[in-house]
Amino acid sequence: NAGVTQTPKFRVLKTGQSMTLLCAQDMNHEYMYWYRQDPGMGLRLIHYSVGEGTTAKGEVPDGYNVSRLKKQNFLLGLESAAPSQTSVYFCASSYDSISYEQYFGPGTRLTVT
Amino acid sequence: GNSVTQMEGPVTLSEEAFLTINCTYTATGYPSLFWYVQYPGEGLQLLLKATKADDKGSNKGFEATYRKETTSFHLEKGSVQVSDSAVYFCALSDLNQAGTALIFGKGTTLSVSS
Repeated sequence: NAGVTQTPKFRVLKTGQSMTLLCAQDMNHEYMYWYRQDPGMGLRLIHYSVGEGTTAKGEVPDGYNVSRLKKQNFLLGLESAAPSQTSVYFCASSYDSISYEQYFGPGTRLTVT
Repeated sequence: GNSVTQMEGPVTLSEEAFLTINCTYTATGYPSLFWYVQYPGEGLQLLLKATKADDKGSNKGFEATYRKETTSFHLEKGSVQVSDSAVYFCALSDLNQAGTALIFGKGTTLSVSS
């Protein structure tokens, strides 16, 4: 049982390049989330999904797209990276809403130059 | 909208000192409240939670009580250890979003020295 895994762990992009971050969970959770963590800002929700085939915008969705084609995977895409997207990205999943804890992956550190 | 405010750090303590990290929230309805901990280089882990008023969450010597009258969820530990050095996040479940994502405070860095 690996929990929540994220690939890659580190990445450096040039402005304008694209990339996809992969999140996978093996706990059969319905809900999955992408957050970004910036110094002094806490974690902010980018996009989330309440089940396979569904996605929705969070607090800071601009410049990102997501897909949930399989229940266990949640992909975060950057079509044209900008320096403002330099951050640490965390994926999380939960069985249900409200009182169930979210399980977090180890994070992806992305630098856009 | 919903929000979480927690005390700014860093908090620097000696081993065996008493710890309090303040957290207050603004929310409609009755959210669940959480404390998460992030050790260096790792993702967040749930430390404790409370789902209704007057509930007390506890884990690893840490405690927090859901106080609806003061809209607070302060984290306490009677005797901290060096291994408690980490960043602590207070969070609430956002009942306004279908996915019920978490709204986090900005985090408080705790550094414990021996």
